[in-house]
Amino acid sequence: QSVLTQPPSVSGAPGQRVTISCTGSSSNIGAGYDVHWYQQLPGTAPKLLIYGNSNRPSGVPDRFSGSKSGTSASLAITGLQAEDEADYYCQSYDSSLSGSFYVFGTGTKVTVL
Amino acid sequence: QVQLQESGPGLVKPSQTLSLTCTVSGGSISSGGYYWSWIRQHPGKGLEWIGYIYYSGSTYYNPSLKSRVTISVDTSKNQFSLKLSSVTAADTAVYYCARGITISKRFDYWGQGTLVTVSS
Repeated sequence: QSVLTQPPSVSGAPGQRVTISCTGSSSNIGAGYDVHWYQQLPGTAPKLLIYGNSNRPSGVPDRFSGSKSGTSASLAITGLQAEDEADYYCQSYDSSLSGSFYVFGTGTKVTVL
Repeated sequence: QVQLQESGPGLVKPSQTLSLTCTVSGGSISSGGYYWSWIRQHPGKGLEWIGYIYYSGSTYYNPSLKSRVTISVDTSKNQFSLKLSSVTAADTAVYYCARGITISKRFDYWGQGTLVTVSS
């Protein structure tokens, strides 16, 4: 059950900048829980891309950046490259009367034109 | 470098129990600070967290699956396992095991995933 909403797809030409939004609510992103981003290349497992809203693990190019504000977060890819074509998922934590659990976004497919 | 590898049957009959094991290498499952999780992805769909286990054996499950899920750990083998009972076609998915960091609640290492199909 995805409680974080992302646009189904975004596209851009090589070298352009694209952004992916991740909209949550007061029980997850708005409650102060960190947002993390994963890149899933076709046929592979997700890979941690951004953690703690805006931090890059070692080896992730600085073309990828993240931010968070209120109940939403964003992932930006600058200088878009062909190898960036993949699915991207945001992830956070949700805590409400119905329970607490890890939540993922609906996913966004990035197409390089 | 921590590595995780899922193993188990790729085909399960409806109403039966799905069983998968995740073998961890390059690090000890008994290291504190990590939740060892199962996550699934329905074909062409998004990711769904199933549950996690701590090395001590404490567990926490997604409320939507809680009644059918059991996760266990075998620290001597550096493995943890998933059992999902009373499966239906809706449980057909790629199942991933992953290491979650307790404080930040992120998943830093993932297995390659294994497709489990529920069909008679």
